[in-house]
Amino acid sequence: ETGVTQTPRHLVMGMTNKKSLKCEQHLGHNAMYWYKQSAKKPLELMFVYNFKEQTENNSVPSRFSPECPNSSHLFLHLHTLQPEDSALYLCASSQPQGDNEQFFGPGTRLTVL
Amino acid sequence: AQSVTQPDIHITVSEGASLELRCNYSYGATPYLFWYVQSPGQGLQLLLKYFSGDTLVQGIKGFEAEFKRSQSSFNLRKPSVHWSDAAEYFCAVGLNTDKLIFGTGTRLQVFP
Repeated sequence: ETGVTQTPRHLVMGMTNKKSLKCEQHLGHNAMYWYKQSAKKPLELMFVYNFKEQTENNSVPSRFSPECPNSSHLFLHLHTLQPEDSALYLCASSQPQGDNEQFFGPGTRLTVL
Repeated sequence: AQSVTQPDIHITVSEGASLELRCNYSYGATPYLFWYVQSPGQGLQLLLKYFSGDTLVQGIKGFEAEFKRSQSSFNLRKPSVHWSDAAEYFCAVGLNTDKLIFGTGTRLQVFP
């Protein structure tokens, strides 16, 4: 595997379910990001991790819980979501103190029923 | 506050025609500048980036962009569009942090 991978690619869940999104990067980067992309809205940065430490939380509701066990893996744990949380969730990675270039995964298409 | 503006939400061109997608930014210093492309249901792929030096930057898939400091612009161009270029295009600004600020995107439609 190369680049940034995300699993699953598609997820349908009910409002009472608990699920997790997984992101893995094979680029040796130390910064990882979660973005939310909704239809007809700008790309929203949710969380930033640098060297496994969370450095940014953009007022994301607590029903989204990130976890970064190491620099290569990033999770987004989901519970009691709302239908408006349906979106494409993108993971990205970069090298801190580098040129800001971010490498994106293919995304997870989440549908909340 | 820093911002990125892509004034064109949707552009339609004929295959073979030239293309220019506009991007303006608001930032005190010269930032890092990026153009990304996103096909439906996919992640973002980097087309090109500018840090310093030559203000005309060449990217993948025949795209280029020109940084104009006086206009705070970084417009994306392609001399002849192919049907496979239909996608959404995002301009982004990198600040002195590890964050990027993205524009709202321009959706490109290509007619045969």
